[in-house]
Order: sequence, then structure tokens, then C-alpha cells
Amino acid sequence: QSALTQPASVSGSPGQSITISCTGTSSDVGIYDLVSWYQQHPGKAPKLMIYEVIKRPSGVSNRFSGSKSGNTASLTISGLQAGDEAHYYCSSYAGGSTLVFGGGTYLTVL
Amino acid sequence: QVQLQESGPGLVKPSQTLSLTCTVSGDSITSGNYYWGWIRQPAGKGLEWIGRIYTSGNTNYNPSLKSRVTMSIATSKNQFSLNLKSVTAADTAIYYCARLKSYYYYFDYWGQGTLVTVSS
Repeated sequence: QSALTQPASVSGSPGQSITISCTGTSSDVGIYDLVSWYQQHPGKAPKLMIYEVIKRPSGVSNRFSGSKSGNTASLTISGLQAGDEAHYYCSSYAGGSTLVFGGGTYLTVL
Repeated sequence: QVQLQESGPGLVKPSQTLSLTCTVSGDSITSGNYYWGWIRQPAGKGLEWIGRIYTSGNTNYNPSLKSRVTMSIATSKNQFSLNLKSVTAADTAIYYCARLKSYYYYFDYWGQGTLVTVSS
């Protein structure tokens, strides 16, 4: 069971859109539509932003959206805001009642 | 509103057992729709899933930690616990407890986290 692969960092200017990728394998991301995304501000607990690849919890802005193609899931944030600057982690069901996280991506809002 | 709160020693000696408890409020730990899980995060690093436990006591663990992890549940206290034995400095991390949606594998509520340092 290996961690999902995410870019270490991404950046964008306010108002722009960015996409964070999360690459797994045919044993996790590729076979299950059970990818979720978490936002973590410094010193805070992670917050659920997306679940089941594309669903948004109540209260999460519709500027956040998820998708998946093959073994890669993606989180897109549109209309970037200063408050979006944070770490983002993906996770996926990995079979055998186990779960795996990505290494995390730090989003910088320029 | 569901709330989770971790508690336990902040300092553990190498080779000893790390023990943490998570107290849940705003939801019954016996709810059939959720598992209860532990996740950890070393300083400056990413999240690592440790394992999960169901109200029945059924558990699943991260294969990389399975030999050292035990989870238990105390339904009368609405609490669940983590024991990690034979700890080393590599186990130093913030430990989070969280609620995990059954079948769908996402954590919708998290505790604030507690820092556990392994040092003599």
C-alpha cells in the first residue's frame, strides 16, 4: 500500500483556477469511486472538501470540484481566494478495508 | 454538532506503548452508519491512516502498522481508543481521531489532534 502521488505545491493568483492531481493505481483510485479531498490550514485539523470523487459536503463552496480519470483524481478550485491557501490531501479506498492518503499539496495564492 | 476530542499522554518513552482515547459527543458511537478512525501526521509531513473500528469492535489497520496497533471501543462511554506498542521516535506525530462514513471511506468530522512525542 503506497501513498497516492500529489504535486508538492501549486500556485495561482486570486480569481484564477487551479487543479491538484492525485495519482494512484488500478488497485485504489482507478477502481473505486471513493476518493475524498481534505483542506488543512496550518495548526488545524483537516476539513472534508470533496467525497466520492465529485460530491461536496454541505457548507463547502461550489468553487471546489472533483473529478477522476483512470488512476488520477483531481481537485479544481475556481475563483481562488486568499483563504484557500492551505495544504490539500487526497485519499482513496485501497481495497481490503484499507485507506490511503496522498502526500499532500500546498496551495499558494499569489 | 458532532465533536471528537483526543486525550492521552503527550510524551511516551521509546519502546513503550502509546495510548490515546477519543471521546465523541453529538453522535452515538453505536451508530451503524459510521466507523471511527485514527490518523496521524508527523511534523511537516502528510497524513497517515492508522486504522478504524466499528461499534461491534471489528477493526481494520494500516498494513504497515498492523503488528503494533490495537484499537478498542467503549460504547458506554462513547469513546474509542488507540494503543501503539513498541514506539520509536518515528511515531512522534499529531494524532487525530475522526468519524469515517461506512462504505464510502471519507472522514467527515475530526478531532483537533493531539501531539505525542516519543522521547526518553
